[in-house]
Amino acid sequence: QVVLTQSPSASASLGASVKLTCTLSSGHSTYAIVWHQQQPEKGPRYLMKLKSDGSHMKGEGIPDRFSGSSSGAERYLTISSLQSEDEADYYCQTWGSGPHVVFGGGTKLTVL
Amino acid sequence: EVQLLESGGGLVQPGGSLRLSCAASGFTFSHYAMNWVRQAPGKGLEWVSAVSGGGGTAHYADSVKGRFSISRDNSENTLYLQMSSLRAEDTALYYCAKGPGTAAVEIYFDSWGQGILVTVSS
Repeated sequence: QVVLTQSPSASASLGASVKLTCTLSSGHSTYAIVWHQQQPEKGPRYLMKLKSDGSHMKGEGIPDRFSGSSSGAERYLTISSLQSEDEADYYCQTWGSGPHVVFGGGTKLTVL
Repeated sequence: EVQLLESGGGLVQPGGSLRLSCAASGFTFSHYAMNWVRQAPGKGLEWVSAVSGGGGTAHYADSVKGRFSISRDNSENTLYLQMSSLRAEDTALYYCAKGPGTAAVEIYFDSWGQGILVTVSS
């Protein structure tokens, strides 16, 4: 069954860019994933659905600063022009037959 | 604007039961699969259950299968989660989440509620 791996933490300076990575387990490199953002003390928010070809469909109201890309089994979320409100936990998520629904462990992003 | 408002949480003893509700608005409720996702204190997200738009198909995580039951009332735009035989490890913030389509096949979440806390403790 598919497993998603994320780095526990990341940091970048205000106004800079950061690229977060979500890695699909072996044999699952064609899977689409979804990125969710969870700001402190809030419910998660859907950011985008990201396919293996790098095409992505963002949620309503998600700024252009958020973009997605793919390479092999890696799925990326790039946030440019970092703002203080981007400090949050970022989760990737996918699904398989069964159904098997899985989240990555999340990456805590700190904006310096 | 999609709005999802959970209710029904609280403190319950191990072995007890609880029913969560999620009132939905801002979209045609019956056209979309709905889900419950939970988050234990200080932990990550865990999918719990999904139900198709018509209510005829339901799926459960192995951790809750046989103990939890998902249902919906499309006339009232409300999603439910009946939880029984509750355990300490079921303690979590429970989120109602909307799916992208009618069938519970591509299971992901494009709108989320704010969550409701369930605490299982004696």
